[in-house]
Amino acid sequence: GENVEQHPSTLSVQEGDSAVIKCTYSDSASNYFPWYKQELGKRPQLIIDIRSNVGEKKDQRIAVTLNKTAKHFSLHITETQPEDSAVYFCAASLTGGFKTIFGAGTRLFVKA
Amino acid sequence: DGGITQSPKYLFRKEGQNVTLSCEQNLNHDAMYWYRQDPGQGLRLIYYSQIVNDFQKGDIAEGYSVSREKKESFPLTVTSAQKNPTAFYLCASRADSGNQPQHFGDGTRLSIL
Repeated sequence: GENVEQHPSTLSVQEGDSAVIKCTYSDSASNYFPWYKQELGKRPQLIIDIRSNVGEKKDQRIAVTLNKTAKHFSLHITETQPEDSAVYFCAASLTGGFKTIFGAGTRLFVKA
Repeated sequence: DGGITQSPKYLFRKEGQNVTLSCEQNLNHDAMYWYRQDPGQGLRLIYYSQIVNDFQKGDIAEGYSVSREKKESFPLTVTSAQKNPTAFYLCASRADSGNQPQHFGDGTRLSIL
């Protein structure tokens, strides 16, 4: 069935360093890839998304890249800050599909 | 997102009791979802609904039931058959095109008394 694998499960970086989280999806028909940030006890919130017609998207310190051939997509956070500490989920879905497949999550710690 | 309201925020269940979690959205979304999240874990899909009066089992539907009588509402009942109900429950909705994000409520934390 459809599957999204996410790595690493835990990531610890020093404040100011970059963080990269990688995901691989199984359904080649997937064409929409959102990323969510979830702080402790809170709801997941969309931070950036990318559709399959583009290879990269950037929003200030956050960027996402997509490699459709390899079925990989990645989240890049530059100049990390302590408030970036949270769990990040990648996901994949497709036009006409009603399920969104989520990765298992990455717990990011940014040390001050 | 202010468009999805879950209640209550905290809920306690006694042995043998059914409890119902409320989820209401004013985003005019067709699709709605229920997820279960255990501590330190990801999101597991319980049920989803594409349209009023229709819903589908997710990956962990046993011990749960839902209804979708109105577009705005998708309540989840945790039945006594669910032996380990303690978790954080998240409701979400999405426009029906598929390539749109899900919008989540603030969640309900359910515990056993």
